[in-house]
Amino acid sequence: DTEVTQTPKHLVMGMTNKKSLKCEQHMGHRAMYWYKQKAKKPPELMFVYSYEKLSINESVPSRFSPECPNSSLLNLHLHALQPEDSALYLCASSQDAGSSYEQYFGPGTRLTVT
Amino acid sequence: QQPVQSPQAVILREGEDAVINCSSSKALYSVHWYRQKHGEAPVFLMILLKGGEQKGHDKISASFNEKKQQSSLYLTASQLSYSGTYFCGTAAPASGGSYIPTFGRGTSLIVHP
Repeated sequence: DTEVTQTPKHLVMGMTNKKSLKCEQHMGHRAMYWYKQKAKKPPELMFVYSYEKLSINESVPSRFSPECPNSSLLNLHLHALQPEDSALYLCASSQDAGSSYEQYFGPGTRLTVT
Repeated sequence: QQPVQSPQAVILREGEDAVINCSSSKALYSVHWYRQKHGEAPVFLMILLKGGEQKGHDKISASFNEKKQQSSLYLTASQLSYSGTYFCGTAAPASGGSYIPTFGRGTSLIVHP
């Protein structure tokens, strides 16, 4: 099973709302990632969790708050977002956070901030 | 630092070949290739490691020149299903043994019947 699942598929939220994105994998992978992707652009790394600990935060604004409750789950908590945060949010996992491991991506959550 | 991909776009007829290139100004530890179809997630195609090891797709080949910090993806006898945007990814070392994956801007490949 090489599947990464993400919920919800679509999310519309106002700038004062609080919402969460969820990601799950059952491949026994120990690294999980959040990416943001705008239309016609490559995925941009936001966060990396390695062995359930936050190892990389690419200077992401604090209105995005990641959480890794266990080795299979990754959440992204959203609060007070801006319209420019509208994008496709992709979760990915890999066997390890090293450079020699491929990533498996989930289908993404398409977020619209109104 | 973002790897540089070329060309930006390729249009082919079924059965034709294409080469997509990826280069970096920094030393490469590995190169990853992904394909993303419109409205879908990126899908892993191939990973090339220093020392010549490769993992990935049976029907796709790639090369990795560590000295020149370049990689090329070879798509031969293209099929309609090859259409999509191809991204190369590189990984820069970060603290604690992690790596920061960075993707090139992508190459749009369109295969016509």
